Amino acid sequence: KQEVTQIPAALSVPEGENLVLNCSFTDSAIYNLQWFRQDPGKGLTSLLLIQSSQREQTSGRLNASLDKSSGRSTLYIAASQPGDSATYLCALAGARGGADGLTFGKGTHLIIQP
Amino acid sequence: GAGVSQTPSNKVTEKGKYVELRCDPISGHTALYWYRQSLGQGPEFLIYFQGTGAADDSGLPNDRFFAVRPEGSVSTLKIQRTERGDSAVYLCASSPGLAISTDTQYFGPGTRLTVL
Repeated sequence: KQEVTQIPAALSVPEGENLVLNCSFTDSAIYNLQWFRQDPGKGLTSLLLIQSSQREQTSGRLNASLDKSSGRSTLYIAASQPGDSATYLCALAGARGGADGLTFGKGTHLIIQP
Repeated sequence: GAGVSQTPSNKVTEKGKYVELRCDPISGHTALYWYRQSLGQGPEFLIYFQGTGAADDSGLPNDRFFAVRPEGSVSTLKIQRTERGDSAVYLCASSPGLAISTDTQYFGPGTRLTVL
């Protein structure tokens, strides 16, 4: 069974800093890995999707990497802004067992201080 | 265009009652997913539809939970004999259903269910 761990559970940094969120997983048989953002009382917004055959994806100030062999992904946020404050979730679409739902980590609660 | 919508946004019920939660996916999306999110946890997969059929219901916790998607669009998650442990946010997501490796899932705002 796929297990997804996100470190740290919470992070508070001053505005303008670059930061890295970590995600590790136990089963490397995946279709893709996605990073989502969740704001309080709202649904999830997809930020980046990395296919199994890819190593990284970039969108604006965000860069996500994937290393299947070590079971790790990182989300790099450059020049953080208060509007980046949210919970960031890592999720995997598994290639084993036929299940097509995503397996999520518990998330990293990020606060950017103005 | 419109995103995924879910109704109601909040539902308070008493233990033992029956509830229905509705999801309207993005038009044209053939894949639809239900997840449940408890406080401080990531969403947990419940059931996946491809078209009208439940392709994978392995995440449903027990037989009190049931979901339908009769016309391949709107879906209803049904919970019988609700228990306090069912209290959570129920999230619905849809995707184009073209390829698992590239499909992004688009989430609705969720229904917050509270069982008293």
